[in-house]
Amino acid sequence: ETGVTQTPRHLVMGMTNKKSLKCEQHLGHNAMYWYKQSAKKPLELMFVYSLEERVENNSVPSRFSPECPNSSHLFLHLHTLQPEDSALYLCASSQGTSYEQYFGPGTRLTVT
Amino acid sequence: AQSVTQLGSHVSVSEGALVLLRCNYSSSVPPYLFWYVQYPNQGLQLLLKYTSAATLVKGINGFEAEFKKSETSFHLTKPSAHMSDAAEYFCAVSPRGFQKLVFGTGTRLLVSP
Repeated sequence: ETGVTQTPRHLVMGMTNKKSLKCEQHLGHNAMYWYKQSAKKPLELMFVYSLEERVENNSVPSRFSPECPNSSHLFLHLHTLQPEDSALYLCASSQGTSYEQYFGPGTRLTVT
Repeated sequence: AQSVTQLGSHVSVSEGALVLLRCNYSSSVPPYLFWYVQYPNQGLQLLLKYTSAATLVKGINGFEAEFKKSETSFHLTKPSAHMSDAAEYFCAVSPRGFQKLVFGTGTRLLVSP
């Protein structure tokens, strides 16, 4: 595997389900990010991890719970989501938070 | 605080025509600047970056961008559009130091035959 990978690529879940999104970076970077991309809305930065510590949480509802067990892996745990949470969730990584980010292909989430 | 403005949410060109996508930034310190491209249902792919070397930066797929400090601009150009260039393009800025990238709202490029 190379670059940034995300699994699953597509996910359909009910409002009472619990699921997790996984991101893995193979670039040796020390920062990882979760973004939400909804139709006709700007890219929304959700969480930033630098050196495995969460350094930013942009007022994201508690039904989204990130986890960064090491510098290569990032998870987004989902529970009791709402239909408006349906979106493309993108993971990215970078070497230092000022530099270019490399993105994964995203997980298309549909909440029914 | 830093910010990015992309003028025009949609730009339409004919195949073979010049592509010009506009990006203006504000930053209190000299910035790093980036252009990304996103094809449908895919992640963002880095096209090119400016990090204070040459002001004219060449990227992938024949794209280039010029950093103009006096105009606080970093417009993306390509001399001749191809159908495969149809995608969404994002400009991003990062002040030097330990601060994250800030993305613009994106410009969708439409290429007609």
